[in-house]
Amino acid sequence: GQNIDQPTEMTATEGAIVQINCTYQTSGFNGLFWYQQHAGEAPTFLSYNVLDGLEEKGRFSSFLSRSKGYSYLLLKELQMKDSASYLCAAMDSNYQLIWGAGTKLIIKP
Amino acid sequence: GAVVSQHPSRVICKSGTSVKIECRSLDFQATTMFWYRQFPKQSLMLMATSNEGSKATYEQGVEKDKFLINHASLTLSTLTVTSAHPEDSSFYICSAEGGRATEAFFGQGTRLTVV
Repeated sequence: GQNIDQPTEMTATEGAIVQINCTYQTSGFNGLFWYQQHAGEAPTFLSYNVLDGLEEKGRFSSFLSRSKGYSYLLLKELQMKDSASYLCAAMDSNYQLIWGAGTKLIIKP
Repeated sequence: GAVVSQHPSRVICKSGTSVKIECRSLDFQATTMFWYRQFPKQSLMLMATSNEGSKATYEQGVEKDKFLINHASLTLSTLTVTSAHPEDSSFYICSAEGGRATEAFFGQGTRLTVV
C-alpha cells in the first residue's frame, strides 16, 4: 500500500534549527512536496523535490533520497511564526498526492 | 505567483440544506482541480478530481450524489454539499493545477459547520 510517515509533533527553540523527517512508500514516484499549514488555513507550498539531493530556499531546505524513500525539511533560524503543521506529500505514478498526517512544530522562546 | 481563490471561507448551515463552495484560478487556466476535506488533526483527504468539461472522478467512499462537483470552465470548479448533515462539518480545500504539475496551488479553504 501507499504510506507516508512523519512525526506527529516536534518542539524547537526560537533561533535554532529543526529537521522534520518523512518516509514514503508509493506506487511509482513523481516528486515529494512539503507544505506549511497554519491552524485553520489551507496549506502553502514550501518545496518540491524530484531528484536526489538538497534544495535550499532561504531559511528552508528540503532533501530527498529516492533510494531510501526519505525526505526531510530543514528549518533554520527558527521564528515564532514558523509554529505550524508541516505536511509531507508524495506524488505517485498517477500524479496523485499521497499526504502525511503532518508534523506539528511548536517553537518556544 | 499563481492564486486560487476559494469562497466562502466560513459557512454555517442547517441540517438538510445545501451549500456551494467555489474555487477559482485567478491568473492561470486550471485543467485539473482537486477537492480535499480535512478533519481536525488529520491529513488532507482527496475527495475527487475534476477535469474541465468532464465528470469528476470520486475517491472510494465519497458519495458523488452528496458531493456534487462541477468544473464548467478552466477557471472555476464548484463543490456542492447536498442535504448537509453535522458529520459533513469539516474543512474543505480545493487545489488547482495548470500545465505544469510541479506545484498545486491551494485555495484558502472553507470551514463548513452544519448545525
